[in-house]
Amino acid sequence: ETGVTQTPRHLVMGMTNKKSLKCEQHLGHNAMYWYKQSAKKPLELMFVYNFKEQTENNSVPSRFSPECPNSSHLFLHLHTLQPEDSALYLCASSQEIVYTFGSGTRLTVV
Amino acid sequence: AQSVTQLGSHVSVSEGALVLLRCNYSSSVPPYLFWYVQYPNQGLQLLLKYTSAATLVKGINGFEAEFKKSETSFHLTKPSAHMSDAAEYFCAVSPNAGNNRKLIWGLGTSLAVNP
Repeated sequence: ETGVTQTPRHLVMGMTNKKSLKCEQHLGHNAMYWYKQSAKKPLELMFVYNFKEQTENNSVPSRFSPECPNSSHLFLHLHTLQPEDSALYLCASSQEIVYTFGSGTRLTVV
Repeated sequence: AQSVTQLGSHVSVSEGALVLLRCNYSSSVPPYLFWYVQYPNQGLQLLLKYTSAATLVKGINGFEAEFKKSETSFHLTKPSAHMSDAAEYFCAVSPNAGNNRKLIWGLGTSLAVNP
C-alpha cells in the first residue's frame, strides 16, 4: 500500500474511445501530479495541481484532460488517443519535497 | 537551471557485490537530492533524500548516498547486492529555495543482480 491508489492498473483502448484514469490519495498532501513514463525516455511531467488548482501544464496535447475535484482525487480524461500515447501513467502526490507515487496505469492504445 | 545525469543506463553486479549507481547534478541554488527505486510494474518509491543536513544519507534496504558538493555528485551505494535489488533507479534534484518543488529527473539506471 503506497498511499496513492491508481485505477485501473491496465487499460487497452481504441483510438476513438473515451476513458478516464483515476488517482486517489489520503495522505493529506496538497499537490498532485500526472507523469508519463515511456520506454527509454525520461519521466515526463504532464500536469501539476496545488490545492486543487492547476499550476502546470507541460504542453500536453488536448486529448489529455485533467480534473481535480478535491485535494484527494485526480483524474486524467482520455479521448482520441494515438498509439504513441501508449505508456505507463503515474500519479503522485507530495507535501513539501517528498513525492509518493501510485503503481501506475499501463495504457495501450490500439 | 537544474539537471541530472545518471552515468550508465544499465549496471550489472553479482549477488553480494558492491552496488554503485552514479548521479551528477547541476543546480544554480543549493539542491535537494533524491533517489527513487521502481520495481517492475510498480510506481516509484523513495529510497533516500538529501535536504542539506548530513552529507551521508542512509535510506531503506541498506542503501546510502553521499552528497559531495565539490564533485556535484550524489552516488548511490550498497555494500552487498541482493537479488531483490534488481530494479530501475532514478536520481532527482529539486531546488532548495522558494516554493518550487518540481523534481528534475535523471533517465534512470537499470540494475541487474546476477546469482
